[in-house]
Amino acid sequence: DTGVSQNPRHKITKRGQNVTFRCDPISEHNRLYWYRQTLGQGPEFLTYFQNEAQLEKSRLLSDRFSAERPKGSFSTLEIQRTEQGDSAMYLCAVGGEWPQHFGDGTRLSIL
Amino acid sequence: AQSVTQLGSHVSVSEGALVLLRCNYSSSVPPYLFWYVQYPNQGLQLLLKYTSAATLVKGINGFEAEFKKSETSFHLTKPSAHMSDAAEYFCAVSVWAGANNLFFGTGTRLTVIP
Repeated sequence: DTGVSQNPRHKITKRGQNVTFRCDPISEHNRLYWYRQTLGQGPEFLTYFQNEAQLEKSRLLSDRFSAERPKGSFSTLEIQRTEQGDSAMYLCAVGGEWPQHFGDGTRLSIL
Repeated sequence: AQSVTQLGSHVSVSEGALVLLRCNYSSSVPPYLFWYVQYPNQGLQLLLKYTSAATLVKGINGFEAEFKKSETSFHLTKPSAHMSDAAEYFCAVSVWAGANNLFFGTGTRLTVIP
């Protein structure tokens, strides 16, 4: 049990469609992070929340990406008008100053 | 800019043998250094971290890592490998507190041979 549940585990969509991923921490954590991981690479930081406030966004997070954490618990990551380059594993993590526990991720495949 | 290099994308050891996973960092200021482990079909988990206290850091499951400034290294070791240690291990570096600048290496996959 990683303490973080991510849904769906795998998302297949056509290029140009919108997708939304959800992250549910099992227990309360002030900080929630989103990372992206491509094959053969380590995770890359996308954004993080302190409670419901989004405090930092990576330059990797283009204007097609939006993340929310409305009640300071679960979070969603939406990608609009998906592109081939968006194919990756999207990871959610919780922790303090640094991410402690990651979820199993949502794998996005763009057809 | 800071970065980490993990030497060897795949490492194989026999059960009971020493585990040594190498990580070298590049940073212009004293870094924070981390090792994460990812077991098959699971998310990453923080194994241990160095935050400028003791240079020898002990983590979970018998792993430890030593910060060596002169060698710019933070290698991960375990005296005796168990089958359950088979996983992917990621080294990461940060130069200030906060995940917005946590940079991961490309990972080392550890295989334990019975």
